[in-house]
Amino acid sequence: EAGVAQSPRYKIIEKRQSVAFWCNPISGHATLYWYQQILGQGPKLLIQFQNNGVVDDSQLPKDRFSAERLKGVDSTLKIQPAKLEDSAVYLCASSFGAGGTSYEQYFGPGTRLTVT
Amino acid sequence: AQSVTQLGSHVSVSEGALVLLRCNYSSSVPPYLFWYVQYPNQGLQLLLKYTSAATLVKGINGFEAEFKKSETSFHLTKPSAHMSDAAEYFCAVSDRESNYQLIWGAGTKLIIKP
Repeated sequence: EAGVAQSPRYKIIEKRQSVAFWCNPISGHATLYWYQQILGQGPKLLIQFQNNGVVDDSQLPKDRFSAERLKGVDSTLKIQPAKLEDSAVYLCASSFGAGGTSYEQYFGPGTRLTVT
Repeated sequence: AQSVTQLGSHVSVSEGALVLLRCNYSSSVPPYLFWYVQYPNQGLQLLLKYTSAATLVKGINGFEAEFKKSETSFHLTKPSAHMSDAAEYFCAVSDRESNYQLIWGAGTKLIIKP
């Protein structure tokens, strides 16, 4: 079974530029998550999708971050414009469902973003 | 609100020694508990999970964890550390109150001394 795919693996941009990350979840997984992981910290949930609908985006800085999941499969996360404090690893995860026994999340390798 | 506390941002053990990584949680309802491992420049991999069955949970790579409700703890152990265990370990909790979203600890970096 193929895992969660993410690209690119690494990205370096200057502040005020824009960047986009892509995620392809495990086939059949209805729930998709984007996390931000700053060095030395645990992951912070940015947004959760159930199929192509948003379940929770309460911690997404909506003035600069946006995410979409068209057709309920792949997802993209965009930052525009980037700030220095956006330097982090962006993790995508998927799960079969969003509660009960279908909660287990599988993570992609992440995209390491450096904003200079 | 739920929270997860991992005692010690860094833990150093000698190869062959016991590994003990501590995790305490707060939850007002029965939780699901998880340990994830993150190797350098990689994503998070599930080590083991507690889902209200047996309180002693065995995971991959020889790790196990015991759920102790009275102590609100879910400590991770391994009898004998191996150099390949060097990584960062995260404890997480989810429950109905969090809508089954994962609440994460800050992580513990495990260092193995030869």
